[in-house]
Amino acid sequence: ETGVTQTPRHLVMGMTNKKSLKCEQHLGHNAMYWYKQSAKKPLELMFVYSLEERVENNSVPSRFSPECPNSSHLFLHLHTLQPEDSALYLCASSQEITGTSDTEAFFGQGTRLTVV
Amino acid sequence: RKEVEQDPGPFNVPEGATVAFNCTYSNSASQSFFWYRQDCRKEPKLLMSVYSSGNEDGRFTAQLNRASQYISLLIRDSKLSDSATYLCVVRQAGTALIFGKGTTLSVSS
Repeated sequence: ETGVTQTPRHLVMGMTNKKSLKCEQHLGHNAMYWYKQSAKKPLELMFVYSLEERVENNSVPSRFSPECPNSSHLFLHLHTLQPEDSALYLCASSQEITGTSDTEAFFGQGTRLTVV
Repeated sequence: RKEVEQDPGPFNVPEGATVAFNCTYSNSASQSFFWYRQDCRKEPKLLMSVYSSGNEDGRFTAQLNRASQYISLLIRDSKLSDSATYLCVVRQAGTALIFGKGTTLSVSS
């Protein structure tokens, strides 16, 4: 039990579908993240929310749309994806403390997405 | 130049061996450093933070050289259960974790 849960664990979707990934953290953290992990590549940061405000967006295509309705929930809305978007999508959370970066991030188990 | 670079391996070692992983980072503003472990088809989990003075946790020793922008992880007396991918991670204040590609370790009996 990691304290960060993601659903669904596996998702297969067509290029014209719309789907959403969900992440929930039970750790009382104030920051949440979406990462993408493709084969042979490092984890790529997609979005950061701190205190429910988006603070970082690493030039992610608009077919990925994040939503953070409160500090415990994070969504990633998917629309007209491409086969190269197939990857493991990981959600993480951490407790951000002003003036320090020495805080651990806890990850969910990920959603393995296949776009066909 | 990649922000965090690691030798991808794989490192194949027998049980009981000592193995060392190296990592370099490009951003001198990086303030915090970590090693994460990721098992096959699982999420990354924190193995240990890395401090300038060096730190040890059982069989694991982490070192940081800020001048050279270099981080290392030493595993002594390797166990079968140490087989995993080890991710070097850095962070600046107010930003998210930046990951290396990971180094794969396989320990065999």
